[in-house]
Amino acid sequence: QSVLTQPPSVSAAPGQKVTISCSGSSSNIGSNYVSWYQHLPGTAPKLLIYDNDKRPSGIPDRFSGSKSGTSGTLVITGLQTGDEADYYCGTWDASLRAGVFGGGTKVTVL
Amino acid sequence: QVQLQESGPGLVRPSETLSLTCTVSGDSISSYYWSWIRQPPGRGPEWIGFIYHSGNTNYNPSLKSRVTLSLDTSKNHFSLKLSSVTATDTALYYCARVGDRMGWAFDIWGQGTMVTVSS
Repeated sequence: QSVLTQPPSVSAAPGQKVTISCSGSSSNIGSNYVSWYQHLPGTAPKLLIYDNDKRPSGIPDRFSGSKSGTSGTLVITGLQTGDEADYYCGTWDASLRAGVFGGGTKVTVL
Repeated sequence: QVQLQESGPGLVRPSETLSLTCTVSGDSISSYYWSWIRQPPGRGPEWIGFIYHSGNTNYNPSLKSRVTLSLDTSKNHFSLKLSSVTATDTALYYCARVGDRMGWAFDIWGQGTMVTVSS
């Protein structure tokens, strides 16, 4: 079981919006930054969001992140077929003294 | 363009030591923190540990007794050793760079290498 909880899957039609939640606790998300990753099988995972809501250069603004309390959220707007992938959240857990990730959310474009 | 490439045996016998190397191209290993992350089949990623160019390390407590990270600046690569492996160590192993001034985030990843523990 992953320390951070994500929904196993979300789906929407092209052009629509999906929201992916990442639920944690006071020792991880509640006190540290959240990052988000996109992973297509067979490829290197890609950093989408760091420091809760910042995008690395080259990441389109269709991807946005936020944090509230002990939960983080990734929103993808203007959904495209190329967005079909697995998405993971991650952060540091001060109690475990370890980095932790969510179990992943599969995004399907209908 | 910075690239990371994992290499090592794809099959390891139970009780033996898993050894992997991550070769960094396009940047010097003598900066940043470098990390190993693994993902067992059907599960989320698991952080294994960090190593800094100074040689300082930080390991996941759940693996600390079995893990050793090292780096070789002359070859611009860093390595993972995981001892006394069992079937639960079967996973896709990634090396990654910790982003500069990015909190806890990995900005560059390798493509990963599958390691199976089996006799």
